[in-house]
Amino acid sequence: KQEVTQIPAALSVPEGENLVLNCSFTDSAIYNLQWFRQDPGKGLTSLLLIQSSQREQTSGRLNASLDKSSGRSTLYIAASQPGDSATYLCAVREGGGADGLTFGKGTHLIIQP
Amino acid sequence: GAVVSQHPSWVICKSGTSVKIECRSLDFQATTMFWYRQFPKQSLMLMATSNEGSKATYEQGVEKDKFLINHASLTLSTLTVTSAHPEDSSFYICSATWGAGGVQPQHFGDGTRLSIL
Repeated sequence: KQEVTQIPAALSVPEGENLVLNCSFTDSAIYNLQWFRQDPGKGLTSLLLIQSSQREQTSGRLNASLDKSSGRSTLYIAASQPGDSATYLCAVREGGGADGLTFGKGTHLIIQP
Repeated sequence: GAVVSQHPSWVICKSGTSVKIECRSLDFQATTMFWYRQFPKQSLMLMATSNEGSKATYEQGVEKDKFLINHASLTLSTLTVTSAHPEDSSFYICSATWGAGGVQPQHFGDGTRLSIL
């Protein structure tokens, strides 16, 4: 059964720093991997989607990489801002079509002003 | 684009009540909708997969008679928690996607926080 682990569970850094969030998954036979942001008591906002054939995706200050063979993905946040404070979730999709996502527990990120 | 609306956002009700949660795709036709549940400090767990016009597929351990899912149109899926009990208190969230092959991302609603007294 697929398991997704996110490290660290929590992270607090000063504003302006660059940071890396890690995600690992046990079964490398994934279809794609998605990074989300979840604010307290809110739903999920999709940040980046990486297909299994891709190595990375970029959106603004965010860059996500995927090493499918080793079962790892990283989310790089450049020049962090207090508004980036949230829980970041990594999720993998194991099949196309009608397959749901398997989520990690998330990394709770606090950016200190 | 790709907005998913979930209603209600909060529900507090007595034990034994049935609660219906709606999930709507506002600007696209969702061929597949998913229902997840998240307990405190836990990851989101997939409960069931719903394809328009078909019976939902439930994950192992999820009671299909307790969690009734209806996906009657390409823009609406509903989850009914029947005879809810305190242990059903959780954060329920839906997602929707379109197309075959799983290329498109899943787009999530804002979730429903259910509290059973």
